[in-house]
Amino acid sequence: DTAVSQTPKYLVTQMGNDKSIKCEQNLGHDTMYWYKQDSKKFLKIMFSYNNKELIINETVPNRFSPKSPDKAHLNLHINSLELGDSAVYFCASSLLGGANTEAFFGQGTRLTVV
Amino acid sequence: QQQVKQSPQSLIVQKGGISIINCAYENTAFDYFPWYQQFPGKGPALLIAIRPDVSEKKEGRFTISFNKSAKQFSLHIMDSQPGDSATYFCAASTGSSNTGKLIFGQGTTLQVKP
Repeated sequence: DTAVSQTPKYLVTQMGNDKSIKCEQNLGHDTMYWYKQDSKKFLKIMFSYNNKELIINETVPNRFSPKSPDKAHLNLHINSLELGDSAVYFCASSLLGGANTEAFFGQGTRLTVV
Repeated sequence: QQQVKQSPQSLIVQKGGISIINCAYENTAFDYFPWYQQFPGKGPALLIAIRPDVSEKKEGRFTISFNKSAKQFSLHIMDSQPGDSATYFCAASTGSSNTGKLIFGQGTTLQVKP
């Protein structure tokens, strides 16, 4: 069983389109995240949800809208895609407040905007 | 203040050698310092982590050395193997913020030559 799974793994789309990436975790964690990894492999947090509530929004353009229907799911919708949005997007989850705060990452979604 | 600086950017080591990756931080509120390993096409996975109340933590061939006064920490991989070839990220977070947000270093691409 995959702990953190995200779909799709690859996404190629044209500028101006709207796309969504889905994420699910089966670890019983209460917090989920979206991280962006750029072409230089730099990882930066975008959003974090704790028990379905947004707790981190890191100066991400309004075109990016996360949605957490429940604790196990965190989706990312991107409107009006731009070339600069091309990157690998990682979903992650963790349990806040525990002794072990390990974050588990999904396999990533490679988004290519053409 | 929120940055974590990692060096070197890339590292080539012979099989059996020691790989050393260094990280430095400014924010003294950081209290959790994990190292993540990422293979191509995969998400980052936790390798080993340390909290500032200890100066060293060892797990198998992997050791974290932590210098609180210098605000530096490093990863040592003993007896490096070709299977260790991957990108390594140091990270830091603040438990008191209760967000689980990880600040990542820039990453080090390690190549272990047979």
